[in-house]
Amino acid sequence: GNSVTQMEGPVTLSEEAFLTINCTYTATGYPSLFWYVQYPGEGLQLLLKATKADDKGSNKGFEATYRKETTSFHLEKGSVQVSDSAVYFCALRSGGGYQKVTFGTGTKLQVIP
Amino acid sequence: GAVVSQHPSRVICKSGTSVKIECRSLDFQATTMFWYRQFPKQSLMLMATSNEGSKATYEQGVEKDKFLINHASLTLSTLTVTSAHPEDSSFYICSARDNFAAAEEQYFGPGTRLTVT
Repeated sequence: GNSVTQMEGPVTLSEEAFLTINCTYTATGYPSLFWYVQYPGEGLQLLLKATKADDKGSNKGFEATYRKETTSFHLEKGSVQVSDSAVYFCALRSGGGYQKVTFGTGTKLQVIP
Repeated sequence: GAVVSQHPSRVICKSGTSVKIECRSLDFQATTMFWYRQFPKQSLMLMATSNEGSKATYEQGVEKDKFLINHASLTLSTLTVTSAHPEDSSFYICSARDNFAAAEEQYFGPGTRLTVT
């Protein structure tokens, strides 16, 4: 079955530091890949996505590239801010929008001033 | 943008009682909604897929008689936790798929924190 593995947190960074959160996946076929963000006390928000190999998703300074050869979708940001403190979930979906999403365990990011 | 709401946001109930959680798509129609459960410091686990006008599809290991799902309209799905026990305490999140959107994201609600005492 499908599965997503992401690095365990928490990750603590100073403001303006470079961020990488690793994510690898196992799936049949060609899944769509997502990063979701959950701010404290809130629900999940879609951060970015990629639907095919070599696609790069980007939003709010975050980027992730769909690497089929390494089955990875690592999240990066060049300069984090305190407001980026949240839990980040890597996820995948095989098939269309009516199919279920499989989530990783989440990585908590804390950015300190 | 597409908005999904959940009500209540927090609920505390006594063991043995039932609790209903609502999930609404506010500005779009959703034939399909999903119910997830999130344990502390863990990922979201899909509980069931809710289909408007038909029975929900439950994931393996989820008790359908305990977690009753009703999807009576294109904008509302409800999850009822029956005879709640402390181990049912969790964060419940729903998501909805926009019937008419070209993109295929699922839009997530803000979640409901259930505490059973």
